[in-house]
Amino acid sequence: QVQLQESGPGLVKPSEALSLTCTVSGGSINYYYWSWIRQAPGKGLEWIGYVYYTGSTNYNPSLKSRVTISLDTPKNQFSLSLTSVTAADTALYFCARDKAEAGPRLGFDVWGHGTTVTVSS
Amino acid sequence: DIQLTQSPSFLSASVGDRVTITCRASQGISRYLAWYQQKPVKAPKLLIYSASTLQSGVPSRFSGSGSGTEFTLTISGLQPEDFATYYCQHLNSYPLTFGGGTKVEIK
Repeated sequence: QVQLQESGPGLVKPSEALSLTCTVSGGSINYYYWSWIRQAPGKGLEWIGYVYYTGSTNYNPSLKSRVTISLDTPKNQFSLSLTSVTAADTALYFCARDKAEAGPRLGFDVWGHGTTVTVSS
Repeated sequence: DIQLTQSPSFLSASVGDRVTITCRASQGISRYLAWYQQKPVKAPKLLIYSASTLQSGVPSRFSGSGSGTEFTLTISGLQPEDFATYYCQHLNSYPLTFGGGTKVEIK
């Protein structure tokens, strides 16, 4: 079955860029919408954005000016870049797959375990 | 952005109880709503999509209903493994947003 695994630095300095990668195993990254979601300590879930297998993207307006999500199809990976980070970006970051291959979104049926990113000098 | 308001934000219940959680959307979202269960330091698990369709492998004691702006998640016969936080999420338009969560604890 499809599994997702996040990877990347656990500590990022303020004003620098956060970069995370999600590796898809047990299936192809072709088709489906691939998202990043984060959860600040003790808080709820925040959708960051998605990349579709075609390379098209959609971002949360609250982060849009700082976010890039990209696809590396040969490696079966997709990545998150978040620039100019502050302490408010400290969170558990998840990658996830939407259940729908196309058409209306249905919900995230496959998730990574999550990776904690702390923004601190 | 569409806001989702969950109620209650916290509830205390016993094993075997029937539990209902409500999710209200700030505008109509048809049936583009999903429900998740999250346990501490774990990824959320999809329970229900399209407001009332049970995700494969999810026990039938979980059910969802509603359309438009009001939705409910019901757990019929709470089990020990059901004590967790539950989130609704809309998928009607972008940005996708989640409700604030309902924490279900043991009475």
